[in-house]
Amino acid sequence: QVQLVESGGGVVQPGRSLTLSCTASGFTFSSYDIHWVRQAPGKGLEWVALVWSDGITKFYADSVKGRFTISRDNSGNTLHLQLNSLRAEDTAVYYCATERGGNPFEIWGQGTMVTVSS
Amino acid sequence: QAGLTQPPSVSKDLRQTATLTCTGNSNNVGHQGAVWLQQHQGHPPKLLSHKNNNRPSGISERFSASRSGNTASLTITGLQPEDEADYYCSSWDTSLSAWVFGGGTKLTVL
Repeated sequence: QVQLVESGGGVVQPGRSLTLSCTASGFTFSSYDIHWVRQAPGKGLEWVALVWSDGITKFYADSVKGRFTISRDNSGNTLHLQLNSLRAEDTAVYYCATERGGNPFEIWGQGTMVTVSS
Repeated sequence: QAGLTQPPSVSKDLRQTATLTCTGNSNNVGHQGAVWLQQHQGHPPKLLSHKNNNRPSGISERFSASRSGNTASLTITGLQPEDEADYYCSSWDTSLSAWVFGGGTKLTVL
């Protein structure tokens, strides 16, 4: 079935790095743009980044620009988010979500939790 | 990044109609429209409405979206207990080259 599964979350110290992954199945991953969206505990949704299906065009929220890098491996049906210089305010559940034909956020994963704490 | 403005909470009686609003500007909602998402506690969001106000497959006709100028609206008719959730709007901001979200509206069905 159509599915996105995030992984790679955990507890990390401030200033350290972490890589999140999002693995797709049940649809043609290479035809979709993919977003990362995060949600801090008890807070609303915050858009993080977007990579187009070509893997070249990328967009970032100002809050993560220069620290996070989005990338994808279409042959492996996988999306990545490299999180560097982590801060306490990056603590959140990180979701990946699809976009196709100008219709974003159709398919969501279950999310992976990142906790930045010393 | 400036977000979209949603009322923090709305309360309505069972079987009544709720209209949730989302206010942006001419660079986002006024230009691109908005999508609407529903999120129940402990679950990922679920898309309720595309930018063109069409519903994805499987979404009840009780949910309808519209836009007037820089304000998008989501109307939920015949409120049911399962409609109690957080609702978010989102739009692409052409000046920021970024997606922006509203702060979310918590809908309580009395």
